[in-house]
Amino acid sequence: EAQVTQNPRYLITVTGKKLTVTCSQNMNHEYMSWYRQDPGLGLRQIYYSMNVEVTDKGDVPEGYKVSRKEKRNFPLILESPSPNQTSLYFCASSLLEGANQPQHFGDGTRLSIL
Amino acid sequence: QKEVEQDPGPLSVPEGAIVSLNCTYSNSAFQYFMWYRQYSRKGPELLMYTYSSGNKEDGRFTAQVDKSSKYISLFIRDSQPSDSATYLCAPAETSYDKVIFGPGTSLSVIP
Repeated sequence: EAQVTQNPRYLITVTGKKLTVTCSQNMNHEYMSWYRQDPGLGLRQIYYSMNVEVTDKGDVPEGYKVSRKEKRNFPLILESPSPNQTSLYFCASSLLEGANQPQHFGDGTRLSIL
Repeated sequence: QKEVEQDPGPLSVPEGAIVSLNCTYSNSAFQYFMWYRQYSRKGPELLMYTYSSGNKEDGRFTAQVDKSSKYISLFIRDSQPSDSATYLCAPAETSYDKVIFGPGTSLSVIP
């Protein structure tokens, strides 16, 4: 089954404790991205990757890091999480970048930073 | 003014009703318009994709774009409880650009 898998689905942690949210896709997609979803603000792109070892900032990259060492994996790293990063996070992938490429989303990771 | 706006709802309708979900945008350069559907505790999934002005129909769903008014609509005929979800409009300027997601409208179809 074609899917994007995120882990963990839920996480409660404390300020300053480094965490990583993993994302993996099995569709051989080139393009992957991370979004955060907050009430009233919609989905905002954090980082994206057009291919292995190629990553770039989205609209809200501050406080986040990513890496793309393998085509299928695109982890999101919060080196020193803060309460304003409490949010619902989605990883997405598509064959290529662009509006005409349907994005396939994971089921989300709900992060609470205390 | 936000680039893409939607009434957050919740919109509650009886089963079988015709539903109209609306979205307004400020960037006149948008030419591609997507609607994503997001069920509770799930990621969004692409529902419909239209280019420029006009209507596009897919089963019970019709997407309508009025570029002169910068207004997008999604109509759902014979609504079903399984249509209960949040609907996100997502326009883009060109086919190569990334989409800009609206905040979504929550719909509840009551049996």
